Amino acid sequence: EVQLVESGGGLVQPGRSMKLSCAASGFTFSNYGMAWVRQAPTKGLEWVATISYDGSSTYYRDSVKGRFTISRDNAKSTLYLQMNSLRSEDTATYYCTRENWAYFDYWGQGVMVTVSS
Amino acid sequence: DIQMTQSPSFLSASVGDRVTINCKASQNINRYLNWYQQKLGEAPKLLIYNANSLQTGIPSRFSGSGSGTDFTLTISSLQPEDVATYFCLQHNSWPNTFGAGTKLELK
Repeated sequence: EVQLVESGGGLVQPGRSMKLSCAASGFTFSNYGMAWVRQAPTKGLEWVATISYDGSSTYYRDSVKGRFTISRDNAKSTLYLQMNSLRSEDTATYYCTRENWAYFDYWGQGVMVTVSS
Repeated sequence: DIQMTQSPSFLSASVGDRVTINCKASQNINRYLNWYQQKLGEAPKLLIYNANSLQTGIPSRFSGSGSGTDFTLTISSLQPEDVATYFCLQHNSWPNTFGAGTKLELK
């Protein structure tokens, strides 16, 4: 059974950093691209970043470029999102999701990030 | 960025009704359109990928159609467990963009 379990969220002050993790199991992690998608409270879904199966390619939405870094450790089957210079508009539930060619097929339960002083 | 215009934003229907939800892309996205269901407090669940392919384990009352810029999700006979918010997602180009969602409730 495919499982994606996010961790590392919580309350953080504006301008500070936070690192999210996503532990994957139930599939060969190194065969799939992975992504982070977020959802602000009572809002819709917003793609954040994607990383290729081997980590050689990364893609970001404009509003997080230069502040967020997506990475992966295939030996540990773990995806990461390093978030620096956090802003109030980054407040959201962050979902880890598996990219299966042209769609996101499995999602974690999400982790809440609140950016507030 | 490709804009995804989803309609309606809210839908009230009765058990057994046929329900349709639409997504229109601001430019051609071929068939790279996916549909998700999100129930309150849960993660999104993939229903349809590549415009019309039913994800494994999803009931056959769900179907998708369309290509290019216009797409439709159809629930052939609404069930109580279908109460949720539905989103479309274009996966044709970066950044991947979602529709704003359709909240489906029972009448």
